[in-house]
Amino acid sequence: ETTLTQSPAFMSAAPGDKVIISCTASQDIDNDVNWYRQKPGEAPILIIEEATTLVAGIPPRFSGSGFGTDFSLTIDNIESEDAAYYFCLQHDNFPFTFGQGTKLEIK
Amino acid sequence: VQLVESGGGVVQPGRSLRLSCAASGFNFNTYAMHWVRRAPGKGLEWVAFISFHGQDIYYAGSVKGRFTISRDNSKNTLYLQMNSLRAEDTAVYYCAKDLYRGDGYYGMDVWGQGTTVTVSS
Repeated sequence: ETTLTQSPAFMSAAPGDKVIISCTASQDIDNDVNWYRQKPGEAPILIIEEATTLVAGIPPRFSGSGFGTDFSLTIDNIESEDAAYYFCLQHDNFPFTFGQGTKLEIK
Repeated sequence: VQLVESGGGVVQPGRSLRLSCAASGFNFNTYAMHWVRRAPGKGLEWVAFISFHGQDIYYAGSVKGRFTISRDNSKNTLYLQMNSLRAEDTAVYYCAKDLYRGDGYYGMDVWGQGTTVTVSS
């Protein structure tokens, strides 16, 4: 089973800041990582697929990078609407696994 | 594209429950599907996968042998039969569509709003 270690678990940022969330895989998973955002009471939404591809309709302030074992989600110019939980997912092998999640708070 | 889960509720430990997920707005019979859950205060946990034709099935270790995923392509419906339920199965259960049609697996794009399962005596 591939373990995804996501960090940080919590972060607080002010509007206009840049934040980076990291996921490290326990084995090489190529670029088989997606990133999701979930707000309280809502279903998750896909924001980045295949490590770097921005999903249609997601603002270009969001970007993804990485390959192999180290991946990151960057949010530039943070806005108040970005407050949410963010999760990485590996879909390279079964069982799929998620990172532990990052709660992003906006000051 | 819409996914609507149903069948959640309060159930005693050891009992069973069947969840359903009604799909619309896309060719259900060409996409693999997933169940994912989120327990209170915890992160997302992938639960099960079924290929578009129903022949390839995978489970998380925590549910293997107790849960069964299935689909009826004639009814555009996904199911999760949950047996021998435990307190730790308490969660919001989401069905989700795989990103791309056909063989392979690419993770989830569209998710339902979820149905809540509470296992408690």
